[in-house]
Amino acid sequence: DTGVSQNPRHKITKRGQNVTFRCDPISEHNRLYWYRQTLGQGPEFLTYFQNEAQLEKSRLLSDRFSAERPKGSFSTLEIQRTEQGDSAMYLCASSLSSGRRPLLSTDTQYFGPGTRLTVL
Amino acid sequence: QQQVKQSPQSLIVQKGGISIINCAYENTAFDYFPWYQQFPGKGPALLIAIRPDVSEKKEGRFTISFNKSAKQFSLHIMDSQPGDSATYFCAASINPGGGADGLTFGKGTHLIIQP
Repeated sequence: DTGVSQNPRHKITKRGQNVTFRCDPISEHNRLYWYRQTLGQGPEFLTYFQNEAQLEKSRLLSDRFSAERPKGSFSTLEIQRTEQGDSAMYLCASSLSSGRRPLLSTDTQYFGPGTRLTVL
Repeated sequence: QQQVKQSPQSLIVQKGGISIINCAYENTAFDYFPWYQQFPGKGPALLIAIRPDVSEKKEGRFTISFNKSAKQFSLHIMDSQPGDSATYFCAASINPGGGADGLTFGKGTHLIIQP
Protein backbone atom coordinates (compact mmCIF):
# COMPACT_ATOMS: atom_id res chain seq x y z
CA ASP A 1 0.00 0.00 0.00
CA THR A 2 1.59 3.29 -1.08
CA GLY A 3 -0.91 5.64 0.60
CA VAL A 4 -0.53 7.74 3.74
CA SER A 5 -0.39 5.57 6.85
CA GLN A 6 -1.06 6.56 10.46
CA ASN A 7 -0.40 4.75 13.69
CA PRO A 8 -2.00 3.91 15.97
CA ARG A 9 -5.49 3.89 14.51
CA HIS A 10 -7.08 4.21 17.91
CA LYS A 11 -5.75 5.54 21.20
CA ILE A 12 -7.53 5.68 24.53
CA THR A 13 -5.81 7.58 27.30
CA LYS A 14 -6.54 9.14 30.64
CA ARG A 15 -6.65 12.88 31.12
CA GLY A 16 -3.20 14.27 31.89
CA GLN A 17 -1.27 11.61 29.99
CA ASN A 18 0.96 12.31 26.99
CA VAL A 19 0.26 10.70 23.61
CA THR A 20 2.21 10.53 20.36
CA PHE A 21 0.92 9.75 16.89
CA ARG A 22 2.92 8.86 13.81
CA CYS A 23 2.28 9.63 10.15
CA ASP A 24 4.13 8.13 7.19
CA PRO A 25 3.44 10.15 4.03
CA ILE A 26 3.41 8.97 0.45
CA SER A 27 6.98 8.34 -0.62
CA GLU A 28 8.69 11.46 -2.05
CA HIS A 29 5.90 13.80 -0.97
CA ASN A 30 7.63 16.83 0.47
CA ARG A 31 4.65 18.44 2.23
CA LEU A 32 2.98 16.91 5.26
CA TYR A 33 -0.10 18.29 7.00
CA TRP A 34 -1.86 17.61 10.31
CA TYR A 35 -5.58 18.20 10.82
CA ARG A 36 -8.02 17.54 13.66
CA GLN A 37 -11.61 16.45 13.03
CA THR A 38 -14.31 16.30 15.68
CA LEU A 39 -17.59 14.45 15.23
CA GLY A 40 -19.87 16.08 12.69
CA GLN A 41 -17.33 18.73 11.70
CA GLY A 42 -14.90 19.27 8.87
CA PRO A 43 -11.16 18.78 9.42
CA GLU A 44 -9.39 21.74 11.01
CA PHE A 45 -5.86 22.58 9.93
CA LEU A 46 -3.20 22.32 12.65
CA THR A 47 0.21 22.59 11.01
CA TYR A 48 2.27 21.61 7.98
CA PHE A 49 5.84 20.84 7.00
CA GLN A 50 7.79 21.30 3.82
CA ASN A 51 10.48 18.66 4.11
CA GLU A 52 11.69 19.00 7.71
CA ALA A 53 10.72 22.66 8.13
CA GLN A 54 7.49 23.50 9.94
CA LEU A 55 6.06 26.34 7.83
CA GLU A 56 2.72 27.18 9.41
CA LYS A 57 0.96 26.55 12.71
CA SER A 58 -2.71 27.19 13.39
CA ARG A 59 -3.76 29.03 16.53
CA LEU A 60 -5.53 25.75 17.38
CA LEU A 61 -2.10 24.27 18.07
CA SER A 62 -1.71 25.10 21.74
CA ASP A 63 1.57 24.86 23.66
CA ARG A 64 0.63 21.30 24.64
CA PHE A 65 0.89 20.20 21.00
CA SER A 66 4.18 19.68 19.21
CA ALA A 67 4.90 18.22 15.80
CA GLU A 68 8.15 17.14 14.25
CA ARG A 69 9.29 15.80 10.93
CA PRO A 70 12.91 14.74 11.32
CA LYS A 71 14.76 14.14 8.06
CA GLY A 72 11.66 15.21 6.12
CA SER A 73 10.11 11.76 6.08
CA PHE A 74 7.64 10.56 8.75
CA SER A 75 6.10 12.97 11.24
CA THR A 76 5.01 12.72 14.86
CA LEU A 77 2.35 14.73 16.66
CA GLU A 78 2.62 14.78 20.46
CA ILE A 79 -0.03 16.02 22.84
CA GLN A 80 1.11 16.64 26.41
CA ARG A 81 -1.19 16.66 29.44
CA THR A 82 -4.19 15.55 27.40
CA GLU A 83 -7.60 17.05 28.11
CA GLN A 84 -11.05 15.66 27.31
CA GLY A 85 -11.41 18.39 24.68
CA ASP A 86 -8.51 16.81 22.77
CA SER A 87 -10.71 13.82 21.90
CA ALA A 88 -10.93 13.83 18.09
CA MET A 89 -9.72 12.18 14.92
CA TYR A 90 -6.23 13.34 14.02
CA LEU A 91 -5.65 13.25 10.28
CA CYS A 92 -2.41 13.43 8.37
CA ALA A 93 -2.12 14.35 4.69
CA SER A 94 0.75 14.70 2.24
CA SER A 95 1.29 16.39 -1.10
CA LEU A 96 4.02 17.05 -3.62
CA SER A 97 5.11 20.66 -3.98
CA SER A 98 6.62 21.56 -7.34
CA GLY A 99 8.31 24.79 -6.21
CA ARG A 100 6.43 26.93 -8.74
CA ARG A 101 2.77 27.60 -9.44
CA PRO A 102 1.67 24.03 -9.53
CA LEU A 103 -0.77 22.02 -11.53
CA LEU A 104 -3.90 21.09 -9.66
CA SER A 105 -2.56 17.58 -9.36
CA THR A 106 0.36 18.72 -7.25
CA ASP A 107 -1.93 20.58 -4.88
CA THR A 108 -3.82 17.42 -3.99
CA GLN A 109 -3.56 16.52 -0.35
CA TYR A 110 -3.85 12.77 0.19
CA PHE A 111 -5.24 11.89 3.59
CA GLY A 112 -4.45 8.95 5.81
CA PRO A 113 -7.12 6.98 7.73
CA GLY A 114 -6.58 9.01 10.89
CA THR A 115 -5.89 8.25 14.54
CA ARG A 116 -8.94 8.41 16.78
CA LEU A 117 -8.03 9.74 20.23
CA THR A 118 -10.34 9.28 23.20
CA VAL A 119 -9.39 11.04 26.42
CA LEU A 120 -11.18 9.68 29.49
CA GLN B 1 -14.84 33.02 12.13
CA GLN B 2 -15.94 30.36 9.67
CA GLN B 3 -14.36 31.15 6.35
CA VAL B 4 -16.14 28.47 4.30
CA LYS B 5 -19.87 27.97 4.80
CA GLN B 6 -21.44 24.77 3.44
CA SER B 7 -25.07 23.85 2.91
CA PRO B 8 -27.17 21.84 3.30
CA GLN B 9 -26.06 19.97 6.40
CA SER B 10 -27.82 16.82 5.15
CA LEU B 11 -29.36 15.82 1.85
CA ILE B 12 -31.50 12.92 0.66
CA VAL B 13 -31.69 12.25 -3.08
CA GLN B 14 -33.34 9.49 -5.04
CA LYS B 15 -31.16 7.16 -7.09
CA GLY B 16 -30.55 8.68 -10.51
CA GLY B 17 -31.23 12.20 -9.31
CA ILE B 18 -28.89 15.22 -9.09
CA SER B 19 -27.24 16.02 -5.75
CA ILE B 20 -26.26 19.67 -5.26
CA ILE B 21 -24.11 20.96 -2.41
CA ASN B 22 -23.24 24.63 -2.04
CA CYS B 23 -20.36 26.50 -0.44
CA ALA B 24 -19.58 30.17 0.10
CA TYR B 25 -16.26 31.65 1.11
CA GLU B 26 -15.15 34.95 2.59
CA ASN B 27 -11.41 35.19 2.00
CA THR B 28 -10.80 36.57 -1.51
CA ALA B 29 -7.20 35.35 -1.32
CA PHE B 30 -8.39 31.74 -1.65
CA ASP B 31 -7.41 30.38 -5.05
CA TYR B 32 -7.79 26.62 -4.78
CA PHE B 33 -11.13 24.93 -4.14
CA PRO B 34 -11.30 21.13 -3.73
CA TRP B 35 -14.18 18.85 -2.80
CA TYR B 36 -13.53 15.83 -0.63
CA GLN B 37 -15.61 12.69 -0.02
CA GLN B 38 -15.41 10.88 3.32
CA PHE B 39 -16.82 7.50 4.31
CA PRO B 40 -17.22 6.51 7.97
CA GLY B 41 -13.91 5.53 9.56
CA LYS B 42 -11.89 6.74 6.56
CA GLY B 43 -9.88 9.83 5.77
CA PRO B 44 -11.21 12.35 3.23
CA ALA B 45 -10.50 11.56 -0.44
CA LEU B 46 -10.25 14.19 -3.17
CA LEU B 47 -13.11 14.15 -5.67
CA ILE B 48 -12.49 17.18 -7.86
CA ALA B 49 -10.85 20.59 -7.55
CA ILE B 50 -10.93 23.95 -9.33
CA ARG B 51 -9.09 27.25 -9.54
CA PRO B 52 -11.00 30.56 -9.82
CA ASP B 53 -9.87 31.21 -13.39
CA VAL B 54 -12.52 28.78 -14.70
CA SER B 55 -16.26 28.76 -14.03
CA GLU B 56 -16.90 25.05 -14.36
CA LYS B 57 -15.04 21.76 -14.25
CA LYS B 58 -16.48 18.35 -14.97
CA GLU B 59 -15.02 14.94 -14.19
CA GLY B 60 -17.34 12.04 -14.90
CA ARG B 61 -20.54 12.49 -12.91
CA PHE B 62 -19.04 15.25 -10.75
CA THR B 63 -19.12 18.94 -11.71
CA ILE B 64 -17.89 22.01 -9.85
CA SER B 65 -19.55 25.32 -10.69
CA PHE B 66 -17.64 28.40 -9.55
CA ASN B 67 -18.91 31.98 -9.25
CA LYS B 68 -16.01 34.25 -8.35
CA SER B 69 -18.04 37.47 -8.04
CA ALA B 70 -20.49 35.84 -5.63
CA LYS B 71 -17.70 33.95 -3.83
CA GLN B 72 -19.65 30.73 -4.17
CA PHE B 73 -19.00 27.28 -5.57
CA SER B 74 -21.04 24.13 -5.77
CA LEU B 75 -20.74 20.41 -6.37
CA HIS B 76 -23.20 18.65 -8.65
CA ILE B 77 -23.39 14.86 -8.65
CA MET B 78 -25.28 13.63 -11.69
CA ASP B 79 -27.08 10.26 -11.79
CA SER B 80 -26.53 9.84 -8.04
CA GLN B 81 -25.94 6.25 -6.90
CA PRO B 82 -26.28 4.56 -3.49
CA GLY B 83 -22.46 4.24 -3.44
CA ASP B 84 -22.26 8.03 -3.42
CA SER B 85 -23.78 8.06 0.08
CA ALA B 86 -21.07 9.71 2.17
CA THR B 87 -20.12 13.00 3.77
CA TYR B 88 -18.89 15.68 1.37
CA PHE B 89 -16.67 18.59 2.31
CA CYS B 90 -15.82 21.68 0.35
CA ALA B 91 -12.52 23.34 1.14
CA ALA B 92 -10.35 26.26 0.12
CA SER B 93 -6.75 27.33 0.44
CA ILE B 94 -4.26 29.94 -0.63
CA ASN B 95 -1.68 28.72 -3.13
CA PRO B 96 1.03 31.28 -3.58
CA GLY B 97 2.90 28.81 -5.70
CA GLY B 98 4.80 25.75 -4.69
CA GLY B 99 1.95 23.78 -3.22
CA ALA B 100 -1.13 24.30 -1.12
CA ASP B 101 -1.19 25.78 2.34
CA GLY B 102 -3.50 24.32 4.96
CA LEU B 103 -7.04 23.71 3.76
CA THR B 104 -10.03 25.45 5.34
CA PHE B 105 -12.96 23.02 5.28
CA GLY B 106 -16.71 23.51 5.40
CA LYS B 107 -18.70 21.65 8.04
CA GLY B 108 -19.76 18.90 5.64
CA THR B 109 -22.92 17.58 3.99
CA HIS B 110 -24.21 14.12 4.86
CA LEU B 111 -25.58 12.76 1.58
CA ILE B 112 -27.93 9.78 1.42
CA ILE B 113 -28.92 8.30 -1.94
CA GLN B 114 -32.10 6.27 -1.65
CA PRO B 115 -32.42 3.23 -3.95
